[in-house]
Amino acid sequence: GNSVTQMEGPVTLSEEAFLTINCTYTATGYPSLFWYVQYPGEGLQLLLKATKADDKGSNKGFEATYRKETTSFHLEKGSVQVSDSAVYFCALSGSGGSNYKLTFGKGTLLTVNP
Amino acid sequence: NAGVMQNPRHLVRRRGQEARLRCSPMKGHSHVYWYRQLPEEGLKFMVYLQKENIIDESGMPKERFSAEFPKEGPSILRIQQVVRGDSAAYFCASSRDRVDPSVEPQHFGDGTRLSIL
Repeated sequence: GNSVTQMEGPVTLSEEAFLTINCTYTATGYPSLFWYVQYPGEGLQLLLKATKADDKGSNKGFEATYRKETTSFHLEKGSVQVSDSAVYFCALSGSGGSNYKLTFGKGTLLTVNP
Repeated sequence: NAGVMQNPRHLVRRRGQEARLRCSPMKGHSHVYWYRQLPEEGLKFMVYLQKENIIDESGMPKERFSAEFPKEGPSILRIQQVVRGDSAAYFCASSRDRVDPSVEPQHFGDGTRLSIL
């Protein structure tokens, strides 16, 4: 079945530092890949997505590239802010008729200090 | 423009009681999905419903768990005779008229944190 493995947290950075959160996946077919973010006390929000190999998703300074050869979708940001402190989830969609079925990683807690 | 509304935010039950979790999808959304997040785990798909129909319940435990999405009113996830292992965060998501999340994203609620004493 499908699975997502994310970098273990927590990750603590200083403001303006470079961020990488690793994500690798196992899937049948050609899934779409997603990063979701969960701010304290809130639900998950879609941060960015990529639907096919070599696609780059980007939003709010975050980027991730769909790498089929390494089955990876690492999240990066060049300069983090305190407001980026949250839990980040990597996810993939099911294949074929079950593409609505999202599979999530365990989440990575990011704390950014001023 | 209200998002997906879940209530209660926190629910405490004793072993053997029933838990009812409610989810009102975003306005105009007719597809509802329930996910469960156990401690130290990612979210896991439980069930997908459209109005009055269960489309896919492959992720739901076979016993004690049921879900509905009636013609009127919110979607309900019901857990009968709760046990300690049911303690988790339960998230509801909704989407409009397309189920492919790469085309039509699933919008998530804030979740219900269920604690079993």
